[in-house]
Amino acid sequence: DIVLTQSPGTLSLSPGERATLSCRASQSVSSNHLGWYQQKPGQAPRLLIYGASSRATGIPDRFSGSGSGTDFTLTISRLEPEDFAVYYCQQYTHSPYTFGQGTKLEIK
Amino acid sequence: QVQLQQSGPGLVEPSQTLSLTCTVSGGSISSGVFYWTWIRQHPGKGLEWIGYTDNSGTTYYNPSLKSRFTISLDTSKNQFSLKLNSVSAADTAVYYCAREVPWGRFDPWGQGTLVTVSS
Repeated sequence: DIVLTQSPGTLSLSPGERATLSCRASQSVSSNHLGWYQQKPGQAPRLLIYGASSRATGIPDRFSGSGSGTDFTLTISRLEPEDFAVYYCQQYTHSPYTFGQGTKLEIK
Repeated sequence: QVQLQQSGPGLVEPSQTLSLTCTVSGGSISSGVFYWTWIRQHPGKGLEWIGYTDNSGTTYYNPSLKSRFTISLDTSKNQFSLKLNSVSAADTAVYYCAREVPWGRFDPWGQGTLVTVSS
């Protein structure tokens, strides 16, 4: 199985700051089959980014994704209070689909 | 837009069968090219993809999981279901249904069901 390693485990920032979250794959993720999800406590995950860099419907443009191969990044340009949550990356190049262990974005 | 609503018990006894249902509203489960998926999340942990059924009833499961899972489709009720037999405490988790938009995009998700395995 492809292992996705996210860093940092926890990121402490203030509203208005820029957040950079990393996801590294144990094997190359072809065709940029990499997605990002946001999960708030007690809620289901929500798709933010697919294809490494395409925003899902209704996702604000402060969220952006980049990367290729084994290294991917989710950037939140200016943090809003509602952005503090756990973020997961997910690969869908190889079966089984796998998720990273998550990065918790918390208010500093 | 399409919404998914989960139903099923939150408590299952060890060695019994876990059964969950996901009802699709806002669209037909039979139309389009989608994969109707189950994912679980152990307490405080990450997400684990279980498998899917397509709209013809063809299923595919995570080969890394033991084959205790069964996913099925009921087009007459616009539902799909998950069964997990011989459960143990290790199966305690929040179970989510989701629609996979080819390929690999899970959107939307059901609300999640916390299933606790305990006597």
